[in-house]
Amino acid sequence: QSVLTQPPSASGTPGQRVSISCSGSSSNIGSNRVSWYQQLPGTAPKLLIYRNDQRPSGVPDRFSGSKSGTSASLAISGLRSEDEADYYCAAWDDRLRGRLFGGGTKLTVL
Amino acid sequence: EVQLVESGGGLVKPGGSLRLSCIASGFTFTTYAMNWVRQAPGKGLEWVSSIGNSRNSIFYADSVKGRFTISRDNAKNSLSLQMNSLRAEDTAVYYCVRERDEIFDIWGPGTMVTVSS
Repeated sequence: QSVLTQPPSASGTPGQRVSISCSGSSSNIGSNRVSWYQQLPGTAPKLLIYRNDQRPSGVPDRFSGSKSGTSASLAISGLRSEDEADYYCAAWDDRLRGRLFGGGTKLTVL
Repeated sequence: EVQLVESGGGLVKPGGSLRLSCIASGFTFTTYAMNWVRQAPGKGLEWVSSIGNSRNSIFYADSVKGRFTISRDNAKNSLSLQMNSLRAEDTAVYYCVRERDEIFDIWGPGTMVTVSS
């Protein structure tokens, strides 16, 4: 069981907006920045969001991140079939002195 | 092109050892901290270990502490992970990951480690 809690699955239809939550505690999300990673089937993860809400160059602005207190959220608007993937949140944990990943959320585009 | 390529994975018996390597190219290796992240079959991501750019700070996940050793050779642009006392639960794809300001921005394709008798 991951210290960072994500819903195991999410779904939406093309064009919809979906949101994926990531819940932590004061020692991780509450005091450190959150990043998000997208893993397409059979490939290595890719950086999607960093420092809570920043997008690397090349990531469409359909993807956005936010953080409030000990929780973070990834939103995907204008859902497309190619967004079907696993999504992971991550943050440093001051108490464990290590990087944490959420358990991952499998996004299905119906 | 910025690239990380892992090698050294394979099949090993429980209790055995394996050494993973990662060769970096296309960027100034000495500028970045490096990490190993693993993913068991059908499971999520698990951070394994990190090393600072000048070997000044090393961290391990509790699940591998005392069994795995991370190291780097800045002259050869290489990162290594020595894995001893391997267990079935160490079976996973191991990714070499570049870290920039706590951001895992570049990932290698991964190398598979299978621990089985």
